[in-house]
Amino acid sequence: NAGVTQTPKFQVLKTGQSMTLQCAQDMNHNSMYWYRQDPGMGLRLIYYSASEGTTDKGEVPNGYNVSRLNKREFSLRLESAAPSQTSVYFCATSWGRDLTSALNGYTFGSGTRLTVV
Amino acid sequence: AQTVTQSQPEMSVQEAETVTLSCTYDTSESDYYLFWYKQPPSRQMILVIRQEAYKQQNATENRFSVNFQKAAKSFSLKISDSQLGDAAMYFCAYFDYKLSFGAGTTVTVRA
Repeated sequence: NAGVTQTPKFQVLKTGQSMTLQCAQDMNHNSMYWYRQDPGMGLRLIYYSASEGTTDKGEVPNGYNVSRLNKREFSLRLESAAPSQTSVYFCATSWGRDLTSALNGYTFGSGTRLTVV
Repeated sequence: AQTVTQSQPEMSVQEAETVTLSCTYDTSESDYYLFWYKQPPSRQMILVIRQEAYKQQNATENRFSVNFQKAAKSFSLKISDSQLGDAAMYFCAYFDYKLSFGAGTTVTVRA
C-alpha cells in the first residue's frame, strides 16, 4: 500500500546518545516534513524539505539535523539526545508547498515514540 | 507567524448526540486552507475535512461539517450523530505554505 513509513516505531535513548529517525514514502510527493507532537502543544514543525536537494528549518529546529537522501527518503538526526526531545515524531509528505498541491492535506506516517532518559 | 488556537482541551458527548469543537486562527493572508485532522489512539493522523478560504460555502463530509467564519477567523467542527469510533484527539490546522496545528481537543463518546 502506498504511504509513508517511519522507523523505528519506538525508541529509548540515554541522554547524549545519537540516533536517526528514518522516513520513506512511495507517494511520489515532492515535499516532506518532520513534526514533533507534545501534550498540549499539538504538532510543531521541526524541518521540512520542499523538494529533493533542499531542506529548511521549521518552528523548533534546535538539536536536530535532517537529510533529504533522495525523493523518497527524509531522515531526522538527533546528535546528542536530551530529555526535552522526548516526544512523538511524525514524518509527513505533500505534492508541494503551494496551495494547490496541499489541497488534500499532508499524508502522515504512523509516528515514532522516542523517550530520552 | 500563523497561530491556531483550540480552546477546549477536552469534550465529552453522548452517543448519537452532536458536539462542536472550536478553532480560531490568526493570519494576514486572504487565501489559505483549513483542515481538521483526527488522531485515534493508534496515533495515525486522518484527514477529516478541509475548507478553502475563498469558498463561502461550509464544507461537509457525511456526519462532519464546519462553520467557517472568515472575518472572525473561526473554523469550528461539528460532529453529528456521534459514534464510539469518533473518540479521538482532533486537531485544527491552517495551511498557507506549511501546515500549522492547534493544541488539539480530546473527544470522548459516552455509550
